[in-house]
Amino acid sequence: GDSVTQTEGLVTLTKGLPVMLNCTYQTTYSPFLFWYVQHLNEAPKLLLKSSTDNKRTEHQGFYATLHKSSSSFHLQKSSVQLSDSALYFCALSLSNYNVLYFGSGTKLTVEP
Amino acid sequence: EAAVTQSPRSKVAVTGGKVTLSCHQTNNHDYMYWYRQDTGHGLRLIHYSYVADSTEKGDIPDGYKASRPSQENFSLILELASLSQTAVYFCASRGQNSDYTFGSGTRLLVI
Repeated sequence: GDSVTQTEGLVTLTKGLPVMLNCTYQTTYSPFLFWYVQHLNEAPKLLLKSSTDNKRTEHQGFYATLHKSSSSFHLQKSSVQLSDSALYFCALSLSNYNVLYFGSGTKLTVEP
Repeated sequence: EAAVTQSPRSKVAVTGGKVTLSCHQTNNHDYMYWYRQDTGHGLRLIHYSYVADSTEKGDIPDGYKASRPSQENFSLILELASLSQTAVYFCASRGQNSDYTFGSGTRLLVI
């Protein structure tokens, strides 16, 4: 079935370092991929999304490229800040506005 | 601004009791969803609705019922609450051509 895999449950980094959070997916349909960010005790919020193969998408300093050949949509940032500490979810949809299937999430902690 | 409001924000329920979680949206959205969040599982879809008076089962519907009496309101009902239903529950809405808007969540503890 359709699914999303995030391999890192916890990532801890020092401020200013780069980060990459992994996301791979499985579907037989043409995918729409999303990254959501959830700060403590808040609702998940859309960070960025893409359905275009090999095109980089950016928002708020984060970026990701959908690679259909490897079924991946990794989230990256060149220099993390303390305020980036949050839960990050990768999600898959089979059309742009349809049911979302979420990965298990990665908790990013940024230390001073 | 588009809004999704969940009530209550938190609740303690007794095993075997009935629990109703409410969700109200002012977005004029057709689609509404209930997800549960557990540590290590991300968000999993329980029920969703495309239109008032109609609901659909998601990936984990067992033990839950849903009700969509109007476009604005979508409830999640636990007829016989169990310990395994302790979780954070999120409601979301979206329009025909818009992204999801999530509520702030309801923390449910079943004891």
